Amino acid sequence: NAGVTQTPKFQVLKTGQSMTLQCAQDMNHEYMSWYRQDPGMGLRLIHYSVGAGITDQGEVPNGYNVSRSTTEDFPLRLLSAAPSQTSVYFCASSYSSNSKKLFFGSGTQLSVL
Amino acid sequence: GESVGLHLPTLSVQEGDNSIINCAYSNSASDYFIWYKQESGKGPQFIIDIRSNMDKRQGQRVTVLLNKTVKHLSLQIAATQPGDSAVYFCAVNDYKLSFGAGTTVTVRA
Repeated sequence: NAGVTQTPKFQVLKTGQSMTLQCAQDMNHEYMSWYRQDPGMGLRLIHYSVGAGITDQGEVPNGYNVSRSTTEDFPLRLLSAAPSQTSVYFCASSYSSNSKKLFFGSGTQLSVL
Repeated sequence: GESVGLHLPTLSVQEGDNSIINCAYSNSASDYFIWYKQESGKGPQFIIDIRSNMDKRQGQRVTVLLNKTVKHLSLQIAATQPGDSAVYFCAVNDYKLSFGAGTTVTVRA
């Protein structure tokens, strides 16, 4: 099993560009989420999904969109990239929304110039 | 909401010694606690968890201690090895999961 797979691993964008960070899991997990990790701060929740067709906002959702058309995939879209979105992004999944034991992908390091 | 803090941002440990990493939380209603390890360039990896109805839980070379009275959580690593060099952070659950910023552990040979 691959677990949680994120692509790309690195990305550089110009301000105003859009892009999609991909996340896929093969563990049949109901719950999937996106976090950003910034220096000196804990992981912060961007968006999450408790199942296919259901998404909700986390604590820092502005500038990001998500969708969950299948159980396996949970892409994160940056609509118009800003330098403040320079960060490392992690996708995480768990068996259900009641399970807080998260399994993380390897991350996408994003730089916005 | 929950705030989660760590006592030390960095920890340097001699190989073979025991490591202790600390975490403080604010919400006495927190019911579940997790320790993660993050190696350079990788995603966080689950180490061990503990529920609020327990004070101590042991894994392989790791022990988590929970002191609900002072809202403090610690991770002890026995006989620290070079492969233990990483960032360690705690996660605390009340109605949502909140993460600490992490302690960077460096193992000296």
